[in-house]
Amino acid sequence: QVQLVQSGGEVKRPGASVKVSCKASGYTFTSFGITWVRQAPGQGLEWMGWINVNSGNTKYAQRLQGRVTMTTDTSTDTAYMELRSLRPDDTAVYFCARGVVQGIIIIDFDSWGQGTQVTVSS
Amino acid sequence: QSVLTQPPSVSAAPGQKVTVSCSGSSSNIGNNYVSWYQKLPGTAPKLLIYENDKRPSGTPDRFSGSKSGTSATLGITGLQTGDEADYYCGTWDSSLSAALFGGGTKLTVL
Repeated sequence: QVQLVQSGGEVKRPGASVKVSCKASGYTFTSFGITWVRQAPGQGLEWMGWINVNSGNTKYAQRLQGRVTMTTDTSTDTAYMELRSLRPDDTAVYFCARGVVQGIIIIDFDSWGQGTQVTVSS
Repeated sequence: QSVLTQPPSVSAAPGQKVTVSCSGSSSNIGNNYVSWYQKLPGTAPKLLIYENDKRPSGTPDRFSGSKSGTSATLGITGLQTGDEADYYCGTWDSSLSAALFGGGTKLTVL
């Protein structure tokens, strides 16, 4: 069965960076995209961006542009999301999800990781 | 303020029916597929509906989706207490070149 398993929670100081991993299994990794979504405490879902695993192309949410990088390692079927210059309002649960690629867009996030808590605090 | 507008909350009694609306524009819902996700506290979102009205295996047929113009609707019949959750619509916005989620709707089964 399709599974996405994320790395454990992190506590970071403001200004630091965090890198969250998402290991996929149960499907052909390069046949789908990976998207990243976060949920801050008491808030809704926020789309962060996505990576076309087959091509390596990425698209990031405008408000995170310049601070976020999404990569994949197809030798280990693992996706990564790095967020830099962390601020307290980056405190959230971060999810990876598998999505269907249709040309230049990604839709239908049908399998999700369990979530990774990232806390940014001095 | 989300580009996709959902009511903050809806409620109904067990066994009844409820609908959740999601309003957008021609650059998103009007020209792209809509998905619906169920989010329980402390768990990952779950895809309930994809491509406007299709149910993944595992989604009960009590859940339905529809789209008309720039709006989409999630319907849930035969409400159960286990349906209490937050529900999010999602789609792609061609102008923003970004995926979007609605602000979420909290369903209470009274």
